[in-house]
Amino acid sequence: DGGITQSPKYLFRKEGQNVTLSCEQNLNHDAMYWYRQDPGQGLRLIYYSQIVNDFQKGDIAEGYSVSREKKESFPLTVTSAQKNPTAFYLCASTLDRAPANYGYTFGSGTRLTVV
Amino acid sequence: AQSVSQHNHHVILSEAASLELGCNYSYGGTVNLFWYVQYPGQHLQLLLKYFSGDPLVKGIKGFEAEFIKSKFSFNLRKPSVQWSDTAEYFCALKRNAGNMLTFGGGTRLMVKP
Repeated sequence: DGGITQSPKYLFRKEGQNVTLSCEQNLNHDAMYWYRQDPGQGLRLIYYSQIVNDFQKGDIAEGYSVSREKKESFPLTVTSAQKNPTAFYLCASTLDRAPANYGYTFGSGTRLTVV
Repeated sequence: AQSVSQHNHHVILSEAASLELGCNYSYGGTVNLFWYVQYPGQHLQLLLKYFSGDPLVKGIKGFEAEFIKSKFSFNLRKPSVQWSDTAEYFCALKRNAGNMLTFGGGTRLMVKP
């Protein structure tokens, strides 16, 4: 079955620590995205990547970093600079650089809690 | 910059009631519009999408949406909801030029059996 795998499902982080969220897809999709979901605020774009070794900041990139060394992988690091990291993080991908024709495929998400 | 507004944050309906969830957007150019649904504990799934042509779009599970350009709206409708429609619904916009989706804040729908 093709899809997007996010791990772990739940993650706890101590204040001041960096943590990396995994996102892997076996759909051969070109573009990958990271969104943050907070109650009442919908999904906000953190970073996106349209091709390997290239990525761009989204609307709320501060305190986050990404890499795209392989087409199938797009890990997100939540750094200690992120002031309010507790949230639900969703990874998505699309077949083409323009997602219009296909819509996004979403992963099942990672819930990050700072303790 | 574009934005999407969903004014109903929480909606509670009884089974068989009709549903209409509001979605308004702000962007002066050509847009593509989407409705996504997130059932409890599941992935976000595409319900329907509008690109061009007939402004009344039919999606999965009996949902439909109407694009009214003059009102900058793309409201989601279903004539008769079921308990299994309990979920969070997101409206999203993509500018015709560009790749990113902009999401609304979501509407939580609870259907009482």
